[in-house]
Amino acid sequence: GAVVSQHPSWVICKSGTSVKIECRSLDFQATTMFWYRQFPKQSLMLMATSNEGSKATYEQGVEKDKFLINHASLTLSTLTVTSAHPEDSSFYICSAKDYTNEQFFGPGTRLTVL
Amino acid sequence: GENVEQHPSTLSVQEGDSAVIKCTYSDSASNYFPWYKQELGKGPQLIIDIRSNVGEKKDQRIAVTLNKTAKHFSLHITETQPEDSAVYFCAASLGYSTLTFGKGTMLLVSP
Repeated sequence: GAVVSQHPSWVICKSGTSVKIECRSLDFQATTMFWYRQFPKQSLMLMATSNEGSKATYEQGVEKDKFLINHASLTLSTLTVTSAHPEDSSFYICSAKDYTNEQFFGPGTRLTVL
Repeated sequence: GENVEQHPSTLSVQEGDSAVIKCTYSDSASNYFPWYKQELGKGPQLIIDIRSNVGEKKDQRIAVTLNKTAKHFSLHITETQPEDSAVYFCAASLGYSTLTFGKGTMLLVSP
């Protein structure tokens, strides 16, 4: 199947700093990518839908200025957590749709804000 | 919007036994139902999916059944192995729209 990578796999940062997470589709072009957030022992919560070349669509309750999403190419989307605080600590997962519209998930990024 | 309920939240079986996880959905228009396996610290992996024009689909030890009238679908794992231990999520969507996930089932397979 198609492969989606995320970088970094984990990151620890100080409160107030910004963190960028990359999501790449390695062997296919993804016109649509999704960003999810997952708390321990909970399900995936969709944060935003990202379409190449256009602004992301955020789910209700997700702060656009807090979670900046850029989808500059058909293989790369980035999520930037701005001015991170401890409550932003979570597991962030991206997914990408291929031409069949099947979603492939990345391995996730563990963010810890001190 | 769509709402997906998943049961049980935890399931413990002995190696070799079968495991069944059930999900119900609320939107009768939903027509795509994937199942994902998530191991600790990793992203979800698609293990099987079914579309609304099919009632059952099987892939080796894994099968999914769909009852559109009752709006529920189930994952069946036969001859379970310790490596099947993980969290399983069901999801539902209408066409190419966003997925709505269930809350997950932690499956524990004891040797």
